[in-house]
Amino acid sequence: DTGVSQNPRHKITKRGQNVTFRCDPISEHNRLYWYRQTLGQGPEFLTYFQNEAQLEKSRLLSDRFSAERPKGSFSTLEIQRTEQGDSAMYLCASSFQGSGNTIYFGEGSWLTVV
Amino acid sequence: GQNIDQPTEMTATEGAIVQINCTYQTSGFNGLFWYQQHAGEAPTFLSYNVLDGLEEKGRFSSFLSRSKGYSYLLLKELQMKDSASYLCAVRRNDMRFGAGTRLTVKP
Repeated sequence: DTGVSQNPRHKITKRGQNVTFRCDPISEHNRLYWYRQTLGQGPEFLTYFQNEAQLEKSRLLSDRFSAERPKGSFSTLEIQRTEQGDSAMYLCASSFQGSGNTIYFGEGSWLTVV
Repeated sequence: GQNIDQPTEMTATEGAIVQINCTYQTSGFNGLFWYQQHAGEAPTFLSYNVLDGLEEKGRFSSFLSRSKGYSYLLLKELQMKDSASYLCAVRRNDMRFGAGTRLTVKP
């Protein structure tokens, strides 16, 4: 399978704990995106990378959120001191650089903060 | 800034045609994309437009008017499996999504 891969698929954590999600993009893609989605809403943009450079970060992203893509391949999204409002599906997507290039999503990582 | 609007819900009958509209305001534009999302699953790509006009892909067509900031997705010969959310998205360097239109197809 050469699609976008995310893990873990499901995570239940206690409020205040840190969690980390991993994303492996489609291997030829140099752009990688993170989104968050809650029930009944569209995906909300969090951040994106071109190769290893983080080019844009949403203003909605608090300081508790950090993303890395150290070698321009896989990426991690860490949430520190989780809150109940962080409960959502975290989606990773990848694409080639350039206008008109489709982004392809992974299956998502579901986070439940209790 | 960016604003993407689409109806929240629509209902249609199996075998019929449905049109889902999307209006947008954006400070940059590199394409208008449509995705389908079934409950609990990730979005999957359906169609995109970079230039004005109609793009047809089997039962699905998408239209774009850049001057009007308007697009629609047309679904023909509706099937029960088409019940899903349909997401309109504007591509800049990133991609921003609307809240989605939840389509219910009834027998």
